Amino acid sequence: DQQVKQNSPSLSVQEGRISILNCDYTNSMFDYFLWYKKYPAEGPTFLISISSIKDKNEDGRFTVFLNKSAKHLSLHIVPSQPGDSAVYFCAAKGDAGNMLTFGGGTRLMVKP
Amino acid sequence: SQTIHQWPATLVQPVGSPLSLECTVEGTSNPNLYWYRQAAGRGLQLLFYSVGIGQISSEVPQNLSASRPQDRQFILSSKKLLLSDSGFYLCASTTGGNLDTQYFGPGTRLTVL
Repeated sequence: DQQVKQNSPSLSVQEGRISILNCDYTNSMFDYFLWYKKYPAEGPTFLISISSIKDKNEDGRFTVFLNKSAKHLSLHIVPSQPGDSAVYFCAAKGDAGNMLTFGGGTRLMVKP
Repeated sequence: SQTIHQWPATLVQPVGSPLSLECTVEGTSNPNLYWYRQAAGRGLQLLFYSVGIGQISSEVPQNLSASRPQDRQFILSSKKLLLSDSGFYLCASTTGGNLDTQYFGPGTRLTVL
């Protein structure tokens, strides 16, 4: 049972445009959400997070939106750059201590 | 800020051989430590986590085990590797005032032949 899902395995965007990565979850006990970026053969790098008491968090080019009623979060990257090309994982933390549940990842390709 | 080290970076092992992967953390104390595996084309699967020395919780039954002999050292082991153990193994840590955000090491690529 996948509690965190990223339904788009890949996304291709033109440089300078907006990238929108989506994530859905089923567990209403999740109270903290994170996005990680991962290059091949490297560990994931933390990007941005949001608490369930907020609906938006912004950090530079990255903005995360949370819609609790829809159990949906999204990561917006504006403007997209070729260096943003990587696999993006969303993760959620909830009632199981400090453990994170990860989605399957979305591969973002930003074309020059 | 904390730094997570993992070694080796890559490893090729025959089926049935033993395994020992090491993770050490610098720049913090009393971290929560985690072992994840990413199989080819898949997401991150939590294998073990530890909240202190000698305290290990297993999330997935398998032929792997973990140990935490020191506060900032986390070891992943196997007595006999299976082909299905191939993957990218990641160590992660949370610490300090923010136990919500996990930071990851560089990973170990394990290929079992």
